[in-house]
Amino acid sequence: QVQLVESGGGLVKPGGSLRLSCAASGFSFSDYYMSWIRQAPGKGLEWVSHIANSRSSTIYYADSVKGRFTISRDNAKNSLYLQLNSLRAADTAVYYCAREIPYSSGVPLDSWGRGTLVTVSS
Amino acid sequence: QSVLTQPPSASGTPGQRVTISCSGSSSNIGSNAVNWYQQLPGTAPKLLIYTNTQRPSGVPDRFSGSKSGTSASLAISGLQYEDEADYYCAAWDDSLHGLVFGGGTEVTVL
Repeated sequence: QVQLVESGGGLVKPGGSLRLSCAASGFSFSDYYMSWIRQAPGKGLEWVSHIANSRSSTIYYADSVKGRFTISRDNAKNSLYLQLNSLRAADTAVYYCAREIPYSSGVPLDSWGRGTLVTVSS
Repeated sequence: QSVLTQPPSASGTPGQRVTISCSGSSSNIGSNAVNWYQQLPGTAPKLLIYTNTQRPSGVPDRFSGSKSGTSASLAISGLQYEDEADYYCAAWDDSLHGLVFGGGTEVTVL
């Protein structure tokens, strides 16, 4: 079955960096667009970034992270990554990776990991 | 402030029908499909409705979605205690070049 497992979260000081990983299994990872979504404690969902499958180089970022976060993928390792730089307290959240249903309008995310917590605090 | 607007809460008794609204604009709901997610306490979100009206395999037909113009709705008929959760609408925004979510609606079964 489809499985997404995030890792790499932790406590980091403001201005610091972190690299999140998402290990995918149970499906042909290279065929799917993938997204990162975050959720601050007690708050709603916020989309962070989206990367196309192996047939496209399309990448998008939310304005709140543009220039600080970098999404990437390694299809040979069935892995999705998110590099977080210049971290701020407002970046404190659970970060989820999610798979997009192909050929569907509106970026529907049909499989989600359990998330990894990033805490930015001095 | 979320790009998509949802009521913060909704409630009903078991068996009732509850409707959650999601209001957007021409650059998001007006141009693209709407998806709905259910988030049970302490768990990751789950896709409930995609492309406005479609249910993924395993989602009960008590859940239904609709869209008209720049607004969408999620209806839960035959409300059950297990439906207590937060519900989020989402749509791609052509102006922001990103996915936007509603602020979420907490559903309580009285």
